[in-house]
Amino acid sequence: TQLLEQSPQFLSIQEGENLTVYCNSSSVFSSLQWYRQEPGEGPVLLVTVVTGGEVKKLKRLTFQFGDARKDSSLHITAAQPGDTGLYLCAGARATDSWGKLQFGAGTQVVVTP
Amino acid sequence: GAVVSQHPSRVICKSGTSVKIECRSLDFQATTMFWYRQFPKQSLMLMATSNEGSKATYEQGVEKDKFLINHASLTLSTLTVTSAHPEDSSFYICSAPVSYNEQFFGPGTRLTVL
Repeated sequence: TQLLEQSPQFLSIQEGENLTVYCNSSSVFSSLQWYRQEPGEGPVLLVTVVTGGEVKKLKRLTFQFGDARKDSSLHITAAQPGDTGLYLCAGARATDSWGKLQFGAGTQVVVTP
Repeated sequence: GAVVSQHPSRVICKSGTSVKIECRSLDFQATTMFWYRQFPKQSLMLMATSNEGSKATYEQGVEKDKFLINHASLTLSTLTVTSAHPEDSSFYICSAPVSYNEQFFGPGTRLTVL
């Protein structure tokens, strides 16, 4: 059972549309991270959110951390083909050993021209 | 950001042979590194935590005698898949944390066992 539930598992949209990926848990996290991974490569860190209610923007990407620090969302505005990839949320819990992250199952995003 | 390298990027081997994968932190020291396994279109599965100067910590269900981990220095960890079999074929990724909540990942190693 995944500690972090990601939804949806798969998302296929047209260029220019918006999308949102959710990451939910019953556990409290001291921080949540979002990564994007392309085929045959390692995940690349997009953002880290640490404060409940925090919202961070990275160009067309908006990340939100829930008030209770149990959930997060990633919203992409006007998606482009370059946004295609596997999006992973990951969280650090105070009870885990230093540096260890819990990963969600991932959301495969496909943006077609 | 911090850079983590992996070598080799791809390896094909015969069943029964052993394969060593190296993970290096290029511009920072890492007393801890993590080894993951990833199946196609799935998330990362943590295999073990590599600790410099002490034994690795393995996740439940991971055979420590099959996946040998050695953290030789503050910048190098190695994963050796011993007596590899086709079911060991996978994408192996290492990472090194730079803080309690951020990891930088290597580019991964694609292992194919014939």
